[in-house]
Amino acid sequence: DAGVIQSPRHEVTEMGQEVTLRCKPISGHDYLFWYRQTMMRGLELLIYFNNNVPIDDSGMPEDRFSAKMPNASFSTLKIQPSEPRDSAVYFCASSSVPLAGGANEQFFGPGTRLTVL
Amino acid sequence: GQNIDQPTEMTATEGAIVQINCTYQTSGFNGLFWYQQHAGEAPTFLSYNVLDGLEEKGRFSSFLSRSKGYSYLLLKELQMKDSASYLCAVRLLMDSSYKLIFGSGTRLLVRP
Repeated sequence: DAGVIQSPRHEVTEMGQEVTLRCKPISGHDYLFWYRQTMMRGLELLIYFNNNVPIDDSGMPEDRFSAKMPNASFSTLKIQPSEPRDSAVYFCASSSVPLAGGANEQFFGPGTRLTVL
Repeated sequence: GQNIDQPTEMTATEGAIVQINCTYQTSGFNGLFWYQQHAGEAPTFLSYNVLDGLEEKGRFSSFLSRSKGYSYLLLKELQMKDSASYLCAVRLLMDSSYKLIFGSGTRLLVRP
C-alpha cells in the first residue's frame, strides 16, 4: 500500500487567499483525522471522520477552516481566507480502528507545510 | 484544563537505556499513546496503554499508572536512529465524545 497520501507537500500563499489541502487515506481505513502541528502549540487534532461523516470538529480553530470527505478515498481541508498564523504543518492520518476503540493506531501522511505570507 | 507534561529534551548514549516520562492532568482519561516523530517526518505509532502496567514491544516498552497520572516510554539498546521526538498523547472521553490531546514532545538525542 502507498500509505496516506497528501498534496501538496508544500504550499506558500498570501494572506487572504484560499488554501485547499488534500488527503487520500489508506484503502479500507474508515477513520480519517486532520491535524495541525506548530512549534508553539504542538500537534493538535482538528477534526475526524468515520465513514466519510464528520464525528468531532471541536478542534477546528475558526470558521475559516472547513473539512469535507466526499468519498472514502478523498478528503480536503480548506482555509478561507488564510492568515499568517495558519502557517503550520498539516497532517492527515487514517486508521482501521475508531478513536473510541482500543489501540487506535493512526497512520500519518507526510504532511503539507503551509506558509501564509 | 487538560494538561500533558513531558521533558523538552533528553540526551543518551548509543547502547544505553533511556526513560521518557509523561505526566498528565486530565479528566475523562481513556487511554495513552506514544508516537515517534523524526525531524521533518510524520509521527509513527509506538504503543498504547489503557490499563496499569507495562507493555513491551521489542526494544520499546511503555508503562502506565492511572492513579498517578503518569506514563513512561523505555527505550533499550539505543541506536542512533532512535534520535527523534517522542510524543505522549492522551485519549479523553468527554460528554460522550472522544478527544485526543498531545504533549509537546520530548526531543531525544542519541550520541555515539
